[in-house]
Amino acid sequence: DAGITQSPRHKVTETGTPVTLRCHQTENHRYMYWYRQDPGHGLRLIHYSYGVKDTDKGEVSDGYSVSRSKTEDFLLTLESATSSQTSVYFCAISGTSGPVEQFFGPGTRLTVL
Amino acid sequence: GQQVMQIPQYQHVQEGEDFTTYCNSSTTLSNIQWYKQRPGGHPVFLIQLVKSGEVKKQKRLTFQFGEAKKNSSLHITATQTTDVGTYFCAGSENTGNQFYFGTGTSLTVIP
Repeated sequence: DAGITQSPRHKVTETGTPVTLRCHQTENHRYMYWYRQDPGHGLRLIHYSYGVKDTDKGEVSDGYSVSRSKTEDFLLTLESATSSQTSVYFCAISGTSGPVEQFFGPGTRLTVL
Repeated sequence: GQQVMQIPQYQHVQEGEDFTTYCNSSTTLSNIQWYKQRPGGHPVFLIQLVKSGEVKKQKRLTFQFGEAKKNSSLHITATQTTDVGTYFCAGSENTGNQFYFGTGTSLTVIP
């Protein structure tokens, strides 16, 4: 498996609290992605990054922000968590521009009460 | 926006039977990828198809990309219990890096 870690792996939080999820890679890949996975919806792209400090929105970006200050780290922040953000969050990386395979991290299970 | 639909949502087969999942896009795709996710695991890349009408094989798995590049299929011959998991297609509209995933097909193989 590619060198991707996510932290925390599990988190329970309350509505209205801020939450930050971290994705760390040791592959020096340029592209990094955050997806959420929900039953019946597959994987949906939240935000992605194509370089340090270069990010763009995905199809479900409302309520989420991201930052990438170093090649190896991509942070996903829920400024004020809501119950609809209860999900499994996956980080993924890919190495080059254009359509190439994505390597996924182990996921973070987030529950918002 | 782009939509990628996948059918069926669930499939139960007896070990040794064949299995097929279908992926349909509302728009023309530049390429399509297939991933497998084992229960409790993360998606793992299987293959990428780029050309119209392309067919690729990996042992018992056969992948096809439609002539119009709007649909794709994954066929597994003689399923085994190791094939259990959810299979996702993911399509991209252009040469960029944003992929739209299908809803997935969950495969159960009954020994």
